[in-house]
Amino acid sequence: AQSVTQLDSQVPVFEEAPVELRCNYSSSVSVYLFWYVQYPNQGLQLLLKYLSGSTLVKGINGFEAEFNKSQTSFHLRKPSVHISDTAEYFCAVSDNSGTYKSIFGTGTRLKVLA
Amino acid sequence: GAVVSQHPSRVICKSGTSVKIECRSLDFQATTMFWYRQFPKQSLMLMATSNEGSKATYEQGVEKDKFLINHASLTLSTLTVTSAHPEDSSFYICSASSPGGVNTGELFFGEGSRLTVL
Repeated sequence: AQSVTQLDSQVPVFEEAPVELRCNYSSSVSVYLFWYVQYPNQGLQLLLKYLSGSTLVKGINGFEAEFNKSQTSFHLRKPSVHISDTAEYFCAVSDNSGTYKSIFGTGTRLKVLA
Repeated sequence: GAVVSQHPSRVICKSGTSVKIECRSLDFQATTMFWYRQFPKQSLMLMATSNEGSKATYEQGVEKDKFLINHASLTLSTLTVTSAHPEDSSFYICSASSPGGVNTGELFFGEGSRLTVL
């Protein structure tokens, strides 16, 4: 079974400052890792994903994440945030054993302040 | 990219009635769709996995007789909340797994449906 932990429920940050949203996972099998973003009253959209290969993954809107197998982490970063980045961010893990069900973390609310 | 559409986006119903929510994959065939429920300011809770042409697989604790899921075609899955009660009020989101034959677990989400039961 897999689990995902997002340690920070809320992260306030000033506009143009860097931000890191933390995600740790546990799994007994190999996994795929994802970050999704949710704007109010909307579904989720994919920011980026790690399947294999390079551990540094770049996504949309200037976000990137680094897969660290030894620390079982997949933290999301952006060097300079905008007001429009204010949203809920979810880390998710999917096993690659065949079921492909995704387990989501509890989410981190990023609030960008002017 | 793969587009998933949900309808209705908002629905208000009286207690005791049934409500159907549709989830369509618009530009690809989705053999597997997932239904999630999201409580305010909380994460997504997987309710069930919907497979085209077969019975849905429900997660532990989800009442299959209350939340009826039908996946009759490769582009449509429906969730029917039967005999709805106020505690069923929630945001319901569907998703489909990645098309193209290589399933990596990446999900494409509908816009969500907010159900309010009076």
